[in-house]
Amino acid sequence: QKEVEQNSGPLSVPEGAIASLNCTYSDRGSQSFFWYRQYSGKSPELIMSIYSNGDKEDGRFTAQLNKASQYVSLLIRDSQPSDSATYLCAVIGQAGTALIFGKGTTLSVSS
Amino acid sequence: GAVVSQHPSRVICKSGTSVKIECRSLDFQATTMFWYRQFPKQSLMLMATSNEGSKATYEQGVEKDKFLINHASLTLSTLTVTSAHPEDSSFYICSASPQTYEQYFGPGTRLTVT
Repeated sequence: QKEVEQNSGPLSVPEGAIASLNCTYSDRGSQSFFWYRQYSGKSPELIMSIYSNGDKEDGRFTAQLNKASQYVSLLIRDSQPSDSATYLCAVIGQAGTALIFGKGTTLSVSS
Repeated sequence: GAVVSQHPSRVICKSGTSVKIECRSLDFQATTMFWYRQFPKQSLMLMATSNEGSKATYEQGVEKDKFLINHASLTLSTLTVTSAHPEDSSFYICSASPQTYEQYFGPGTRLTVT
């Protein structure tokens, strides 16, 4: 059973702080990793994709991948109340094209 | 770029009727589209993978005769919920993938069966 695990939270951070979201996956052969943001009642929005070990930065977002540890994380710098949402980690396993989603981490940024 | 639309956004239907949901990729061609279902406070559940010009691949536990999927062109996939029942009430979301592995989601369709 291929699994993606996330802490459900809620993760609460003050405005301006760094939010750190973590995800582990079970399929060692996975090659593609994604972070989606989902606001309540809306569909997921792709915010980051990462395919190689290391860091990938895009604006206030940094994705980090460590394939040896089967771990992927998302850092949000200068967190804003508008960042309050559920963040979904998703992985494409070695054999497939379908996304395997974690259950999501709820982030709450207080002003 | 990478915009996916869905229609309708909300639909209310009576038990026993059928509902069709359309998913379109607006600015790219999608050889593969995916259909998900999400119940309140739960994560997305993949229902089926739809490939243009071929039969959809359904996930275990999803009734292919109840959830009919047609992917007739590179920009359009449809999901028909046949003989809908109240337990089919959910948020149905499609996604489409251009040549890369990145998937882009439509805005979703909220189905309520009365």
